[in-house]
Amino acid sequence: DIVMVQSPDSLAVSLGERATINCKSSQSVFYSSNNKNYLAWYQQKPGQPPKLLIYWASTRESGVPDRFSGSGSGTDFTLSISSLQAEDVAVYYCQQYSNTPPTFGQGTKLEIK
Amino acid sequence: QVQLRESGPGPVKPSETLSLTCTVSGDSLSGYYWSWIRQPPGRGLEWVGYINHYGTTDYSPSLRSRVTISIDMSGNQFSLRLRSVTAADTAVYYCARGSDSGTSPRTVWFGPWGQGSLVSVSS
Repeated sequence: DIVMVQSPDSLAVSLGERATINCKSSQSVFYSSNNKNYLAWYQQKPGQPPKLLIYWASTRESGVPDRFSGSGSGTDFTLSISSLQAEDVAVYYCQQYSNTPPTFGQGTKLEIK
Repeated sequence: QVQLRESGPGPVKPSETLSLTCTVSGDSLSGYYWSWIRQPPGRGLEWVGYINHYGTTDYSPSLRSRVTISIDMSGNQFSLRLRSVTAADTAVYYCARGSDSGTSPRTVWFGPWGQGSLVSVSS
């Protein structure tokens, strides 16, 4: 199985500041045949199910605010929130879908400083 | 707008079978991989398995010997059965729509998700 490791485990950022969450895979999730990275990001607010934010490493799901962006390639990926809002407090997960079984990172808890 | 809702009988005793059903509204079951994902209390996410409208399934290797996912096209539902449960199977079980990545075997990303159903395994 591909192991996904996120850093940091928790993060506190001031309102309006930038938040950055990292995700590293144990092997590349990039396919040169279609130039795509098989990586998704999810947001899970307390007491709610996860919500898809980004797939193909950088494609925002419909309705997701443009302050959320994904970047990276190969084994190293980043989720950035450009200007943190109070409603962004959540746990964020990355997930690879390059190989079966699909696997998730352990999660990063984002709080307000 | 597609919505998913899990339903099930509640707590399960050790060694018995966990059964859950996911009812999908606002979308056909065709064209996607309908998935189960679980989350033990206070912990991360674990993929359980998926099924498509042809009945093609794939399961987590760690659960394959105990899990069956089935589909009911007429009822727009799909179901999970997990046999011989232990306390380690206690979790919130989510159903989710999986989008096809095009790999072989198929892998998926997940969205939207149901609200989840907490299943406790206890005597």
